[in-house]
Amino acid sequence: EADIYQTPRYLVIGTGKKITLECSQTMGHDKMYWYQQDPGMELHLIHYSYGVNSTEKGDLSSESTVSRIRTEHFPLTLESARPSHTSQYLCASSEPGTSGSYEQYFGPGTRLTVT
Amino acid sequence: GNSVTQMEGPVTLSEEAFLTINCTYTATGYPSLFWYVQYPGEGLQLLLKATKADDKGSNKGFEATYRKETTSFHLEKGSVQVSDSAVYFCALSARRANSKLTFGKGITLSVRP
Repeated sequence: EADIYQTPRYLVIGTGKKITLECSQTMGHDKMYWYQQDPGMELHLIHYSYGVNSTEKGDLSSESTVSRIRTEHFPLTLESARPSHTSQYLCASSEPGTSGSYEQYFGPGTRLTVT
Repeated sequence: GNSVTQMEGPVTLSEEAFLTINCTYTATGYPSLFWYVQYPGEGLQLLLKATKADDKGSNKGFEATYRKETTSFHLEKGSVQVSDSAVYFCALSARRANSKLTFGKGITLSVRP
């Protein structure tokens, strides 16, 4: 059973507000990821981290930023929310399996609505 | 680069019907292959995986075989249940330091009673 948590689960906020989506894992995984999921359910990698003080942008450009000060914590911040940021945000972490493959464990997601 | 192609959806089946969801991939080397499932309102869960050619992953009645000759990893279940209604994602992981997963677009399965 994977232990990865996201808060809040649902957030409705007005345009221009600053928000932080929290993601924490208790498995000690070095690698963590943020995905944005569009209404058609397709997943887009927006940020990832390979360890403390390491962050990289993903395949989809995003106005959000991330930080990785502690292994277990990988928050995502939007400085000024806009309606175009309305989406489902999924956090994940991974470690190499015995075969060398990287299986990712996902949190329950945060559904963000910007009005 | 790596890519995963899933069949177009959505798919609607009656309970106890046979399920096949097609997945093909393009990758260099020998990737690991995964099927993830996302139930309504939840995150993704790993359903099954296979890490080398001819491996068969199985879980909860679902099966998929890693076919290198056809670069495929089709998901099958002999008798679906209403509780199988979810979105299914095929994914691959290249075997190197880069641990990122490449996902297919996902397919929504609805099972009618």
